[in-house]
Amino acid sequence: AQTVTQSQPEMSVQEAETVTLSCTYDTSESDYYLFWYKQPPSRQMILVIRQEAYKQQNATENRFSVNFQKAAKSFSLKISDSQLGDAAMYFCAYGQGGSEKLVFGKGTKLTVNP
Amino acid sequence: DADVTQTPRNRITKTGKRIMLECSQTKGHDRMYWYRQDPGLGLQLIYYSFDVKDINKGEISDGYSVSRQAQAKFSLSLESAIPNQTALYFCATSGNGRARDEQFFGPGTRLTVL
Repeated sequence: AQTVTQSQPEMSVQEAETVTLSCTYDTSESDYYLFWYKQPPSRQMILVIRQEAYKQQNATENRFSVNFQKAAKSFSLKISDSQLGDAAMYFCAYGQGGSEKLVFGKGTKLTVNP
Repeated sequence: DADVTQTPRNRITKTGKRIMLECSQTKGHDRMYWYRQDPGLGLQLIYYSFDVKDINKGEISDGYSVSRQAQAKFSLSLESAIPNQTALYFCATSGNGRARDEQFFGPGTRLTVL
């Protein structure tokens, strides 16, 4: 079974600085997709960024980018120019091609200090 | 208006009571999901449905049942609630259900079983 590991239960960053959240996964499949979801205090789960495993280029969405290391099965999220509104739980998730299910990590709580 | 709504947003009940959590969506998606979130455990899949006639168990379906009343409605029932079912429950939808597709989440229902 696929597993997703987020080794940092909590992280903190100063406003305007950069922070990287770690995620590793375990799979023997070649067709899969990886996601980062954000859960602010409002509880709403919001997709931050998505990466297809077959793409070598790292995905970027404005201040959010990933470092996808397929051989190492690593999928870290970098947040640049951190803002107070970035404070949230961040979940890494794995989706296997041909499957409808997502496997989530346990989450990393990000605090942004003013 | 929100695309995925859940009712109630919060519920406190007693052990042994039957509880129904409801989910409605206006996104026109066929695929709907119920997840449970416990502190420190991420999200775990309870049930998922491809369409009105197709319902499947997820990782932790014991103690739960579901009903897909229509394309837009997917209800989760706890037939006899127990305290360890105290958790945050999320409904989600996706368009094609392929691993690459984003899942859209409702705002969650916080359930407390005393």
